[in-house]
Amino acid sequence: GENVGLHLPTLSVQEGDNSIINCAYSNSASDYFIWYKQESGKGPQFIIDIRSNMDKRQGQRVTVLLNKTVKHLSLQIAATQPGDSAVYFCAETHTGRRALTFGSGTRLQVQP
Amino acid sequence: DADVTQTPRNRITKTGKRIMLECSQTKGHDRMYWYRQDPGLGLRLIYYSFDVKDINKGEISDGYSVSRQAQAKFSLSLESAIPNQTALYFCATSDLSSGGYTFGSGTRLTVV
Repeated sequence: GENVGLHLPTLSVQEGDNSIINCAYSNSASDYFIWYKQESGKGPQFIIDIRSNMDKRQGQRVTVLLNKTVKHLSLQIAATQPGDSAVYFCAETHTGRRALTFGSGTRLQVQP
Repeated sequence: DADVTQTPRNRITKTGKRIMLECSQTKGHDRMYWYRQDPGLGLRLIYYSFDVKDINKGEISDGYSVSRQAQAKFSLSLESAIPNQTALYFCATSDLSSGGYTFGSGTRLTVV
């Protein structure tokens, strides 16, 4: 069955460092991936997405990398700031499935 | 005003009671979703609707029902609440052109 999971439940980084959050998926048919950020008391917010015809996509301070060979997705945050502290979820879907499947989340803690 | 509004924000109810969670959106999106979030389990899909006449079960629909009263409104009901339905509930919307979801701020439900 489908499984979208994360390698680490909590990641602690120093302010100014780069952060890398990882996600593994099991369905080789997955063709659309999204990263969400969830701050305490709020709903998840869209960060960045990538389709399976790409292996890298960049946004403002964030980069998503997709390795379809090993079914791995990562979110890189450059120059991590205290405001980046949150739980980060990866989510995936594929043609023929009508909703997103979410991973269990990684908590990012930014130390001053 | 928020794009996706959920009411109530918090609710405590007793076992066996019927409760309705409401969601309304101003995004003009056709697609609406209800997810449940438990600690360590990410978000799990309860029900989704792609238009007013389209209602579909998600992975954990048992014990829940939904009503799509209009394009902008999608409510979730617990016919007879039980303690293991204590969770954070999120409504989300999306449109065909973008797979990304817009989430509401969530409803924290406690069943005692």
